[in-house]
Amino acid sequence: DIQMTQSPSYVSASVGDRVTITCRASQGISSWLAWYQQKPGKAPKLLLYAASSLQSGVPLRFSGSGSGTDFTLSISSLQPEDSATYYCQQANSFPHTFGQGTKLEIK
Amino acid sequence: EVQLLESGGGLVQPGGSLRLSCATSGFTFSSYAMSWVRQAPGKGLEWVSAISGTGDSTYYADSVNGRFSISRDNSKNTLYLQLNTLRVEDTAVYYCARDLMAISGSLGIGYWGQGTLVTVSS
Repeated sequence: DIQMTQSPSYVSASVGDRVTITCRASQGISSWLAWYQQKPGKAPKLLLYAASSLQSGVPLRFSGSGSGTDFTLSISSLQPEDSATYYCQQANSFPHTFGQGTKLEIK
Repeated sequence: EVQLLESGGGLVQPGGSLRLSCATSGFTFSSYAMSWVRQAPGKGLEWVSAISGTGDSTYYADSVNGRFSISRDNSKNTLYLQLNTLRVEDTAVYYCARDLMAISGSLGIGYWGQGTLVTVSS
C-alpha cells in the first residue's frame, strides 16, 4: 500500500498570510493526488484534483503542485474561513490512502 | 443536484453486523465508481472500500478486507456496505462518496454524503 505523509500536522497563521502544506507519497503516484478541506462536523470538500486542478467553485487562493512523490497545497492570503483540517489522498492505486491531516488554525 | 444519503448506522455489539445504504440521485449512478470512507471520532479520514460503476470490481482497505462487503444496485441507484464481525475500532462516521468524474481511474471524491455513525460497543 502507498503511504501518504503530510507535514506539518498543525499550523497556525494570520489572516493574509501564505501557508504551504506538503504531502509525500511512499512511492510515485504521478499526478493522481487530491486535496480536501474538512471543517468540524462536516463532510470533506474537494479542493484540487490531479495535483493542481482547482475544483469548480474553490477560491483561486488555493493552489497545488507536484508530481511523483512530493506535493504541496498552498493557500495565499489566508481568510478566517480557511480554518479547517486539510487532507491529501492518492488515487494512483487501491487502497486510495489519505494523509493523516493538517490542522490549520487562524490566529 | 447530486445527492447522497446514507442510512443504516447505529449501535452494535462487537462481533455483530450492520448494513449501510446510500441512496443517490441527480446523476447517472451506473456511470460512476463509488466509495466508502470512514472517520473515527477525533481522527482522520480512512478510505474503506470502492466499487466500479458496473459493480464488477471491488476494492478494500486491509483493515476491513474479509469482513466488509461493498455492493451496488444500479436499478435502485443505491450503494451498500455490509459490515460483519465488527470491532470496537470500526466505530466511525461512514461517508458514502462519488468519484469526481466518470472516467477510468479516479481523480478523487467529488461528492460526499452527510455520513452515518456506526458505534461498536458492548
